[in-house]
Amino acid sequence: DAGVTQSPTHLIKTRGQHVTLRCSPISGHKSVSWYQQVLGQGPQFIFQYYEKEERGRGNFPDRFSARQFPNYSSELNVNALLLGDSALYLCASSWDRGANYGYTFGSGTRLTVV
Amino acid sequence: AQSVTQLGSHVSVSEGALVLLRCNYSSSVPPYLFWYVQYPNQGLQLLLKYTSAATLVKGINGFEAEFKKSETSFHLTKPSAHMSDAAEYFCAVSDDSSYKLIFGSGTRLLVRP
Repeated sequence: DAGVTQSPTHLIKTRGQHVTLRCSPISGHKSVSWYQQVLGQGPQFIFQYYEKEERGRGNFPDRFSARQFPNYSSELNVNALLLGDSALYLCASSWDRGANYGYTFGSGTRLTVV
Repeated sequence: AQSVTQLGSHVSVSEGALVLLRCNYSSSVPPYLFWYVQYPNQGLQLLLKYTSAATLVKGINGFEAEFKKSETSFHLTKPSAHMSDAAEYFCAVSDDSSYKLIFGSGTRLLVRP
């Protein structure tokens, strides 16, 4: 069984640009969450989508947005990139929306903003 | 609000020695608690989770953790460290009504030969 897959694995963007990160959950999982992990820190919750609807949003600016598609894959979009957006972006999937079931994480997308 | 504190950003042990990584949580409701491991340039892998069943939880790779409500702790242990255990370990908390994990700042485990 394929795990959670994220693409791309690495990318470099310039300040002010826009970026789209992609995530495919484990087959059968209906929940996708996004986390940002800045170097040296624990992951911070950005969004959760369940059954194609936003179910939760963390303390991130409106430059961050996401969506979930009918096949349960998801995109995270970040506009007007800042240097501080440089981080590892992790996608996590679960078969239900509750965190108590435990999430399976992908390997992440390393975003560098220059 | 829920929070997690991991004592010690770095822990160094000799190969074969006991591993003890500390985690204390704050939660006003019964928590769910997790330990994740992150190897360099990889995502997070679930080691074990506590969801209000047995207080001593056994996970993968020989790790276990004990939920102590009176101490609001969920420390991770392993009797004998292997070189392959060198990684960053994260403790996380959630609860029955939550959809998100709150992570600690992580503890980097170094294993000396």
